[in-house]
Amino acid sequence: GAVVSQHPSRVICKSGTSVKIECRSLDFQATTMFWYRQFPKKSLMLMATSNEGSKATYEQGVEKDKFLINHASLTLSTLTVTSAHPEDSSFYICSALTGGKNIQYFGAGTRLSVL
Amino acid sequence: KQEVTQIPAALSVPEGENLVLNCSFTDSAIYNLQWFRQDPGKGLTSLLLIQSSQREQTSGRLNASLDKSSGRSTLYIAASQPGDSATYLCAVRGPTYNTDKLIFGTGTRLQVFP
Repeated sequence: GAVVSQHPSRVICKSGTSVKIECRSLDFQATTMFWYRQFPKKSLMLMATSNEGSKATYEQGVEKDKFLINHASLTLSTLTVTSAHPEDSSFYICSALTGGKNIQYFGAGTRLSVL
Repeated sequence: KQEVTQIPAALSVPEGENLVLNCSFTDSAIYNLQWFRQDPGKGLTSLLLIQSSQREQTSGRLNASLDKSSGRSTLYIAASQPGDSATYLCAVRGPTYNTDKLIFGTGTRLQVFP
C-alpha cells in the first residue's frame, strides 16, 4: 500500500526555537496533503490543507504565521512550528491524499515537546 | 458543519468476544467513510473504506457497515484478540461538494484482555 513517511518521529526543543517536520509520499504523487494535531486521548484536529504549488488553507483558529506550511513538490510537504512554546507541545500527524479513490494515508506522527 | 461522534468512548472486554463500535455523523451527504486504528503514540492505519454508494466492507475479522441516510456506521470485530487493543477512529469525507477533508470522530479506546 501507499506509504507516507514523516520525520522526525520525536523532537524536543527549547522554547523560542523553530521546528520543521517533513512529510513525504514515498510511492505516489500527492497534490494534497493535510496536517493534523492530536492532543492526548483526543481525536485528530485538522490544522491545514496543503496543495502543491499554492498556499495552504488553514482551519479556523490555526495561526498561519505560527504554523508555516510549504508544499513545494508533489511528494513533500513541511510544517514549521515557529518560535515554539510549551503549549505547542503535541502530536502532529501528516497525511497525503491519493487521486482517484480519495484515500488518505497517514504518517507515523511527530511528538513535539517544547521545554 | 459535519460532526462525527463515536460510542462508546472506551471499551474493555475479554478475549474472544464479538464487538460493535458505533459511529454517527450529522450530515448524511458524505463521499466516503473510513475506519482507522491508532496504536498509542503512533500514526493511523486504515482498516476499511466504504464509499457512499456501498453498504458494507469486510476485511478478515472486521466488518464495517454504512447507513448513510441515518448517519451511522458500525465496525464489527469478530473474536477479539489482545492484539486488537488500540483506539479506533471513524472519519467521513464530505459533504459531497467538498470532498477533500476528513472529519474524525472522537474515537473508541478498546482494550482486549486475555
